[in-house]
Amino acid sequence: GESVGLHLPTLSVQEGDNSIINCAYSNSASDYFIWYKQESGKGPQFIIDIRSNMDKRQGQRVTVLLNKTVKHLSLQIAATQPGDSAVYFCADNGSGGYQKVTFGTGTKLQVIP
Amino acid sequence: DAGITQSPRHKVTETGTPVTLRCHQTENHRYMYWYRQDPGHGLRLIHYSYGVKDTDKGEVSDGYSVSRSKTEDFLLTLESATSSQTSVYFCAISESNVGSPLHFGNGTRLTVT
Repeated sequence: GESVGLHLPTLSVQEGDNSIINCAYSNSASDYFIWYKQESGKGPQFIIDIRSNMDKRQGQRVTVLLNKTVKHLSLQIAATQPGDSAVYFCADNGSGGYQKVTFGTGTKLQVIP
Repeated sequence: DAGITQSPRHKVTETGTPVTLRCHQTENHRYMYWYRQDPGHGLRLIHYSYGVKDTDKGEVSDGYSVSRSKTEDFLLTLESATSSQTSVYFCAISESNVGSPLHFGNGTRLTVT
């Protein structure tokens, strides 16, 4: 299946600062992208999604940017809080369905108080 | 947790014994999935279901079987557990196999001794 990867394994951010987590994808036909947050001992939690007809989508304190030209996604977290400490990973789901989706190992976000 | 319950949450079993993990959803979603998560790997799909009694294999299906006799329940069975099946198992559900997010349960930690 197509692969989705992450640039940085660990990101340390000061509390209150903004965080940016990046993700690259390889399937140019992908048209739906999702970000997940996984806290220790818990299942992945859906954060936000974006479709390929959009460049940007905002949620509560989170923004996802999609650059289809370079096949790149980013998740921006505003005013990072200790509760944001977790592993974040992205996934892309095009027409192939989840049986074709490869999940990356994620980026660990550490918030420094 | 999007109305997903996994049971048991933890289990220790011996090599060669059968094990069944249960996933129960209250969202009436058509699609259900079983993933395993291991250190150094992203989520890997074991089996999925696209309706009652309709299932198919995922990337790492060897040694596993599934059954779905009701919309709300999806069972994962290890017929004869091996140490390589020690892992954290996540159930997920979605409204559609494309274009909608997966919602995950909190996982079952299985140890095969």
